[in-house]
Amino acid sequence: NAGVTQTPKFQVLKTGQSMTLQCAQDMNHNSMYWYRQDPGMGLRLIYYSASEGTTDKGEVPNGYNVSRLNKREFSLRLESAAPSQTSVYFCASSESPMANYGYTFGSGTRLTVV
Amino acid sequence: EDQVTQSPEALRLQEGESSSLNCSYTVSGLRGLFWYRQDPGKGPEFLFTLYSAGEEKEKERLKATLTKKESFLHITAPKPEDSATYLCAVQAGNTGKLIFGQGTTLQVKP
Repeated sequence: NAGVTQTPKFQVLKTGQSMTLQCAQDMNHNSMYWYRQDPGMGLRLIYYSASEGTTDKGEVPNGYNVSRLNKREFSLRLESAAPSQTSVYFCASSESPMANYGYTFGSGTRLTVV
Repeated sequence: EDQVTQSPEALRLQEGESSSLNCSYTVSGLRGLFWYRQDPGKGPEFLFTLYSAGEEKEKERLKATLTKKESFLHITAPKPEDSATYLCAVQAGNTGKLIFGQGTTLQVKP
């Protein structure tokens, strides 16, 4: 079982460049999430999609856009990267927004903006 | 504002030395409290969900408990392979969004 797959695993961008982080899950989950993890800040929610066709802002959405391409895939786009977006990005999924076994996380994308 | 605070930030134990990690929370309408384990360079891995005060769950050397204001993750006779960062998260309201604490990094020395 692949679970949640994120690509790429590592990326270095120059300030102002754009890129899309890809996420796909093979568990037939309805809900998907993007978090960023910074030292001392914990995991912070960027955007989420409760079900296919819907997306909502989380705690730190500025500078990001998302697309729920289909039930399996949820991408995160940085239109104009800034050094403050240097972080580790995690995609997660769950059967439903209120699933009682929590989320399944991918292994992360480590992004550095110089 | 919903908030989750974990303590201590870091904990060093000798193998076999039992201890507890704390997760204090302030949330309107708690739906569930979650514990995750995160190894370096990997995503968090689900451990437990607790729903109501007084509830307890166990898995190997780990036991999670819940009160109305905090949760504890008790580690009994830890082994070096228990070394990891332990994350606590709360779920409130109807959106399902998880709010995470900063985590406790546990190191168990042989």
